[in-house]
Amino acid sequence: AQTVTQSQPEMSVQEAETVTLSCTYDTSESDYYLFWYKQPPSRQMILVIRQEAYKQQNATENRFSVNFQKAAKSFSLKISDSQLGDAAMYFCAYRSAPHSGAGSYQLTFGKGTKLSVIP
Amino acid sequence: DGGITQSPKYLFRKEGQNVTLSCEQNLNHDAMYWYRQDPGQGLRLIYYSQIVNDFQKGDIAEGYSVSREKKESFPLTVTSAQKNPTAFYLCASSGTIGFGYTFGSGTRLTVV
Repeated sequence: AQTVTQSQPEMSVQEAETVTLSCTYDTSESDYYLFWYKQPPSRQMILVIRQEAYKQQNATENRFSVNFQKAAKSFSLKISDSQLGDAAMYFCAYRSAPHSGAGSYQLTFGKGTKLSVIP
Repeated sequence: DGGITQSPKYLFRKEGQNVTLSCEQNLNHDAMYWYRQDPGQGLRLIYYSQIVNDFQKGDIAEGYSVSREKKESFPLTVTSAQKNPTAFYLCASSGTIGFGYTFGSGTRLTVV
């Protein structure tokens, strides 16, 4: 079974600065998807960014980008120009690809990192 | 707009009672999921369904039951056998596998 580890339970960043959240995962599969979700105080889960494992290019979405290191099984999230609205829980998640033969394709989540933004 | 609706937002249950959480989606997604969220535990999978009239247990299915009679609906029943039901429950659905889940806004269940 796949596991996802977020080693930083809490982090803080100064407004307008850059912060990186860490995520590592364990899998024997060669193709899969990785995601970062944001959960603000409203508790609504919001997809921030996704990465396909067969793509070497790191995904970017505006101020959010990832550093995907497949060999190291690492998938960190970088938030640039941090804003007060970025304060939230961030979850890293893993999903098997259809042709991986996994048989089931539910998301496996890490335990989350609580990000605080200091004005 | 398409989305997932969970109801109620807050639910209180007396010990020994069963209670059902509603989850409805109009996204035409085949797969639906129930997760439980506790502080410091992340999201843990309770049950999932990849097609109508079929569902599988997740990692923490004991004390819960589900049904999937319609594509749009995936209700979760928290039974009296669930020893510690107080938690935040999230329902999700997915279409194309590579695009993650769409989540509902959650139900906060408290046992009183």
